[in-house]
Amino acid sequence: KQEVTQIPAALSVPEGENLVLNCSFTDSAIYNLQWFRQDPGKGLTSLLLIQSSQREQTSGRLNASLDKSSGRSTLYIAASQPGDSATYLCAVSHQGAQKLVFGQGTRLTINP
Amino acid sequence: EAGVVQSPRYKIIEKKQPVAFWCNPISGHNTLYWYLQNLGQGPELLIRYENEEAVDDSQLPKDRFSAERLKGVDSTLKIQPAELGDSAVYLCASSLGMRTGTGELFFGEGSRLTVL
Repeated sequence: KQEVTQIPAALSVPEGENLVLNCSFTDSAIYNLQWFRQDPGKGLTSLLLIQSSQREQTSGRLNASLDKSSGRSTLYIAASQPGDSATYLCAVSHQGAQKLVFGQGTRLTINP
Repeated sequence: EAGVVQSPRYKIIEKKQPVAFWCNPISGHNTLYWYLQNLGQGPELLIRYENEEAVDDSQLPKDRFSAERLKGVDSTLKIQPAELGDSAVYLCASSLGMRTGTGELFFGEGSRLTVL
């Protein structure tokens, strides 16, 4: 059974810092990995999708990497802003099992 | 292009009452998911549809939960009777699926249920 872990559970940093969020998964036979952002009381917004054959994806100040062999992904946020404050969730899917298994999320606070 | 639409956004009911949630996926997305999210947790799958067929409902508590997607487009999730422990956010998501797309999921805003 796939298990997804996100560490730390919460992170608080001053504005302007670069930061890394971590995601690990137990079964490396994944189809893709997706990072989401969730604001309080809102749904999930897709940030980046990495296919199993890819090593990284970039969107603006966000960069996500994938290392299947070690069962890890990182989400790098450059030059953090207060508007980046949210919960960040990673999720993985398997070929043939078209569902996402989620981590518990990292609650990020960017202090002005 | 419209995203995934869910209603109601909020619902407060007393225990043992029924409740229903509605979801309209992104146009053209044949795969539809219902997820349950408890406070401080990641979402967990309840049921997945491929068109009108429920292909994965292993996590759906069938004694009180039911779902349908009769025409392969919008879907309804029902709870009857509701229990205190059902208080959570019910999220709907859709995707093109892995055969025709990347498998990327798009979520609605969710329906927050409070059972008193």
